[in-house]
Amino acid sequence: KQEVTQIPAALSVPEGENLVLNCSFTDSAIYNLQWFRQDPGKGLTSLLLIQSSQREQTSGRLNASLDKSSGRSTLYIAASQPGDSATYLCAVRQEGAQKLVFGQGTRLTINP
Amino acid sequence: DTEVTQTPKHLVMGMTNKKSLKCEQHMGHRAMYWYKQKAKKPPELMFVYSYEKLSINESVPSRFSPECPNSSLLNLHLHALQPEDSALYLCASTTRPLGTSGYNEQFFGPGTRLTVL
Repeated sequence: KQEVTQIPAALSVPEGENLVLNCSFTDSAIYNLQWFRQDPGKGLTSLLLIQSSQREQTSGRLNASLDKSSGRSTLYIAASQPGDSATYLCAVRQEGAQKLVFGQGTRLTINP
Repeated sequence: DTEVTQTPKHLVMGMTNKKSLKCEQHMGHRAMYWYKQKAKKPPELMFVYSYEKLSINESVPSRFSPECPNSSLLNLHLHALQPEDSALYLCASTTRPLGTSGYNEQFFGPGTRLTVL
């Protein structure tokens, strides 16, 4: 059974820092991995989707990497801003599966 | 347009009420999903509709009844709910069912905050 872990559960950094959020999964037979952000009381916003054949994806200040063999993905945020404060969730889809398996999320706070 | 809309934004209901949540997308997606999310937890899958047919029911109590009238619309009918059903209900969609191949990003709506008294 696939398990997805995100450590740390919470992270607080000053504005302007570059930071890395971690996501690990136990079963490397994944089809893809998706990163989301969620603001309090709101829906999930898709940030990046990485197919299993890809090593990384970039969107603006965000860069997500994937290492299937080691069961890890990282989300790199450059030059963090207070508006980046949110909960970040990663989710993996197994090959042939019809659903996503979510991590518990990392609650990120960027201090001005 | 990568938008999934949900109505209402907030809903308060008594345990004897009947109400419905509505979800709509106009992206031509053929798979739609209902999730339930409690505070500080990730979303939990409830139902999946693929090509307007129910393909996954994650052992959800019968007081929740999903309906997919057409490819753009998804409803969740609520009846005789319990206070522990209070949560954020999220709708999502993908181009094709997740079990198929190809790039298939999941998009979520803003959610309905449900409170059961």
